[in-house]
Amino acid sequence: QVQLQESGPGLVKPSQTLSLTCTVSGGSISSGSYYWSWIRQPAGKGLEWIGRIYTSGSTNYNPSLKSRVTISVDTSKNQFSLKLSSVTAADTAVYYCARDENYYAHWGQGTLVTVSS
Amino acid sequence: AIRMTQSPSSFSASTGDRVTITCRASQGISSYLAWYQQKPGKAPKLLIYAASTLQSGVPSRFSGSGSGTDFTLTISCLQSEDFATYYCQQYYSYPPYTFGQGTKLEIK
Repeated sequence: QVQLQESGPGLVKPSQTLSLTCTVSGGSISSGSYYWSWIRQPAGKGLEWIGRIYTSGSTNYNPSLKSRVTISVDTSKNQFSLKLSSVTAADTAVYYCARDENYYAHWGQGTLVTVSS
Repeated sequence: AIRMTQSPSSFSASTGDRVTITCRASQGISSYLAWYQQKPGKAPKLLIYAASTLQSGVPSRFSGSGSGTDFTLTISCLQSEDFATYYCQQYYSYPPYTFGQGTKLEIK
């Protein structure tokens, strides 16, 4: 059973870059025809799709965030990562990683990232 | 981006009730729709995909229907563990995939 775990700083200063890593266990990130996604949720609000990556390195990003987002993959470590630059308080949210089958059956538990000085 | 609108945004019901949540897409999405359940502090849980296919392990009291722009999630007999927030998600068109704003189901 595949499991995902987010990791990274819980506090980021405004204008800096948010960096998170998702470690996949219970199977190879390269096996199967899956994308690997990042989704976020501000407190008390709905879900926002950030983007996704295939193990070939092919990416899709939310146009609303595209200028600030980079998603990368490290198949040797069974990990994929998110970088979001020039963060503001509006980027404060729980960030989830998930296995992307176009819908999401497998999620990490989520990690809260707060943007504050 | 395709806009997903759920109704109602919140409502209360009692255990044993039959409840229906509606999701409307701003344009046709065929049957490329999923439903999730989320409890406080937890990741969303996939309930249904392809508009009406029950995810493995999900109780049969959950069902989904619809195609095109209008979809419903029905819980046939509410149990105490079903009180949660429910989201729909379209995966017909990307980027981006989009979610509804959520429907919070509370105990009456």
